[in-house]
Amino acid sequence: GAVVSQHPSWVICKSGTSVKIECRSLDFQATTMFWYRQFPKQSLMLMATSNEGSKATYEQGVEKDKFLINHASLTLSTLTVTSAHPEDSSFYICSEAGVPGTQYFGPGTRLLVL
Amino acid sequence: SQQGEEDPQALSIQEGENATMNCSYKTSINNLQWYRQNSGRGLVHLILIRSNEREKHSGRLRVTLDTSKKSSSLLITASRAADTASYFCATGIQGAQKLVFGQGTRLTINP
Repeated sequence: GAVVSQHPSWVICKSGTSVKIECRSLDFQATTMFWYRQFPKQSLMLMATSNEGSKATYEQGVEKDKFLINHASLTLSTLTVTSAHPEDSSFYICSEAGVPGTQYFGPGTRLLVL
Repeated sequence: SQQGEEDPQALSIQEGENATMNCSYKTSINNLQWYRQNSGRGLVHLILIRSNEREKHSGRLRVTLDTSKKSSSLLITASRAADTASYFCATGIQGAQKLVFGQGTRLTINP
C-alpha cells in the first residue's frame, strides 16, 4: 500500500498558539486525503475530507475556522489547529484514499496543549 | 457520528486461542474493512470485504459479512502476543469515499 508520513509525530504547545500538522504521501498522488481525530481509548472521528486544489469538506460539528486544512499539492495536506486549547489535545491521523475504497493511514500526530 | 458498534469492547485471551470480534452498522455499505492499531500508532489495513461477499480469508484472519443483519465478524485464529492491539471495523458508505469507524475492540493476548 501507499506510504503516508506525518510531521511532527508529537507536539506540545501553549494554549492560544497555532499548530500545523503535515501529512505527506510519499509514493502516491493523493487527490483526496482525510483528517481524523482520536481521543484516548476512543475510535477515530472523521474531521474533514481534503481535496487537492479545492476547499475541504468538514464533518458536522467540526469548526472549519479552527481546523484549517490546505491541500495545495498532490502529496501534501496540512491541518492547522488555530488558537489551540487543552480540549484540542488529541491524536490526529491523516489518510489518503486508495483503491478501491481503502485508505492508507499516516502514523499520527499527538498534540498536547498546555 | 459513528455508525459502527463493536463488541466486545475489550477481550483478553491466552496465546493460541482464537479471538472473535463483532461489528454492527446502520446504513447501506459498499464494503466493510478491518484495521488494527497498536497503542499510539497509526492504523494498518487488515482486510476488506465487499457488500456482495459473505466470507473472506487472509492468513489467520477470517471475516464474515451478513448484510441482512448489518453485521460482520473478525476471527483471528491461533492468536499470538503480537496480535495485541485495538481492532476497528470501518464501513465504506455508498456514494461516499469516507469511512465510518466502529468503536473498536481492545484485544490482549496473554503469553
